[in-house]
Amino acid sequence: GAVVSQHPSRVICKSGTSVKIECRSLDFQATTMFWYRQFPKQSLMLMATSNEGSKATYEQGVEKDKFLINHASLTLSTLTVTSAHPEDSSFYICSAMDSTNEQYFGPGTRLTVT
Amino acid sequence: GESVGLHLPTLSVQEGDNSIINCAYSNSASDYFIWYKQESGKGPQFIIDIRSNMDKRQGQRVTVLLNKTVKHLSLQIAATQPGDSAVYFCAENEGYSTLTFGKGTMLLVSP
Repeated sequence: GAVVSQHPSRVICKSGTSVKIECRSLDFQATTMFWYRQFPKQSLMLMATSNEGSKATYEQGVEKDKFLINHASLTLSTLTVTSAHPEDSSFYICSAMDSTNEQYFGPGTRLTVT
Repeated sequence: GESVGLHLPTLSVQEGDNSIINCAYSNSASDYFIWYKQESGKGPQFIIDIRSNMDKRQGQRVTVLLNKTVKHLSLQIAATQPGDSAVYFCAENEGYSTLTFGKGTMLLVSP
């Protein structure tokens, strides 16, 4: 089956620093990947749609200059949280869409900003 | 899409019982629905899906029912096991657009 990985699985960083999270489709090509954020006891909220070779589309209320998305290849999208603050602490999940428009989710990345 | 709540509804059942988890969706134009299972600290795991031209679909121990008239979706789990304990989310999709997730329900299965 289709597998999506994320790296790192957990990261702790200091306030003001930047953190990069990688999302990879391991056995299929993904023209489109999605980034979600999930706070404790809440649902997944879509942050942005990442399209290979073009700019990401951000959902309303998500700061594009704070959450930088790069989709440089058909198997890799990265999310960089710039100048992270404690309120950015969350569970970040990516998904990748295959050629049949099925979405496969990664295992998530737990970000803690101290 | 649905609003996100700050509390997760919880369904507590005994092992061996049948579980029914409900979901109300908001977009009458949604034509594809998915149920996901999410264990603590992990990403969502696909369980079963259904398209809007159907009202019922069965998998192994799971059944999804769709009532488009009242925009309601349910997931039935037969002979619930402790390993089924997790948070369950429904998600809706309109014409291959982005997925919109529901609020989620925590299922607790006691041995």
